Amino acid sequence: NAGVMQNPRHLVRRRGQEARLRCSPMKGHSHVYWYRQLPEEGLKFMVYLQKENIIDESGMPKERFSAEFPKEGPSILRIQQVVRGDSAAYFCASSPSGTGELFFGEGSRLTVL
Amino acid sequence: EDQVTQSPEALRLQEGESSSLNCSYTVSGLRGLFWYRQDPGKGPEFLFTLYSAGEEKEKERLKATLTKKESFLHITAPKPEDSATYLCAVGGSSNTGKLIFGQGTTLQVKP
Repeated sequence: NAGVMQNPRHLVRRRGQEARLRCSPMKGHSHVYWYRQLPEEGLKFMVYLQKENIIDESGMPKERFSAEFPKEGPSILRIQQVVRGDSAAYFCASSPSGTGELFFGEGSRLTVL
Repeated sequence: EDQVTQSPEALRLQEGESSSLNCSYTVSGLRGLFWYRQDPGKGPEFLFTLYSAGEEKEKERLKATLTKKESFLHITAPKPEDSATYLCAVGGSSNTGKLIFGQGTTLQVKP
């Protein structure tokens, strides 16, 4: 049973470009979470999605960030017009029920030049 | 506001030297306390979930305990392969399954 798959694992963007991070949850999991880990900081919740619905986006920055989890295909975290402060590791996690333990992917590491 | 504080930030042990990691939390409605292990460059790996004060769980050299205000992760006779960052998280009052994480304790076990 494959785990949570994230790609790309590493992404380099220049300021002002767009970054798209993809996450395929574990088989049978319909609940997806995105977390951000800044250097020397802990994991911070960003958004919680179920298929075609955003359930909780209380941790998402108000501008430039968006997330989706379409009926078919992976969940996407999109960052428009990236700035240096967006450089971080972005982790996706999935859950079968929306409660209890989360299963994390290996993360996507974004570097903004 | 839900909050999690872990101590110490870093811990160095000799192989076989037992110790404990602390996780203090404030949350209006606890929906589980979670321990994860994170190796450098990897995603967090689930270890334990505790739901009520007095509950204990064990896995190999690790034992997690829970009170109404804090949790401990006890490491008995650690080995170098136990070196990692240990993260504590609480399921908060929102009932959406989102977790609030502490900063982590980075454990180094020397042979």
